[in-house]
Amino acid sequence: GQNIDQPTEMTATEGAIVQINCTYQTSGFNGLFWYQQHAGEAPTFLSYNVLDGLEEKGRFSSFLSRSKGYSYLLLKELQMKDSASYLCAVKDSNYQLIWGAGTKLIIKP
Amino acid sequence: ETGVTQTPRHLVMGMTNKKSLKCEQHLGHNAMYWYKQSAKKPLELMFVYSLEERVENNSVPSRFSPECPNSSHLFLHLHTLQPEDSALYLCASSQGGSSTGQETQYFGPGTRLLVL
Repeated sequence: GQNIDQPTEMTATEGAIVQINCTYQTSGFNGLFWYQQHAGEAPTFLSYNVLDGLEEKGRFSSFLSRSKGYSYLLLKELQMKDSASYLCAVKDSNYQLIWGAGTKLIIKP
Repeated sequence: ETGVTQTPRHLVMGMTNKKSLKCEQHLGHNAMYWYKQSAKKPLELMFVYSLEERVENNSVPSRFSPECPNSSHLFLHLHTLQPEDSALYLCASSQGGSSTGQETQYFGPGTRLLVL
């Protein structure tokens, strides 16, 4: 079966760095997405990786290793507004999005 | 600001009621999606419409009935729901259908549904 694994919850301190991991087992691979979802709001697109390596976008970076079936989202200089759930999703060989259950990130002052 | 709107934002209904959820996208996209989001579970894809034709239906119970009258509007008609159908229902849209790699989906804020 197809599976996306990510931690259920993480806690970090304001101003620090946090890494949210995502591992996947899917039938084929056509890209990996990260979304951010604040409580009661729409998921919003953060990043897309299809080739191995690191993609940087301001305070957020996303890394992909296709051979390991692994990605991480790196958040630097954490702010209170970064408290949210972070969703990992992979497009399989049929271009269907397979979603993880999300990681709830709690930022403490 | 979001290019995808959903109404109502909250809905409480009895098991014998009939209600409809509405989604509208203002992004000029050609594909629209309904997802179910339950606590601590992955998003479940329910229906996909591309160019107003249903292209995917993931074995969703018939008590959920989608309607896509045009590329900007999507409805989810609900009847005789069960308490386990209580969840957040999210609508999304994308430029084309799902058969491309970097196709990004844009989500609405969802309808929080409670079935009593």
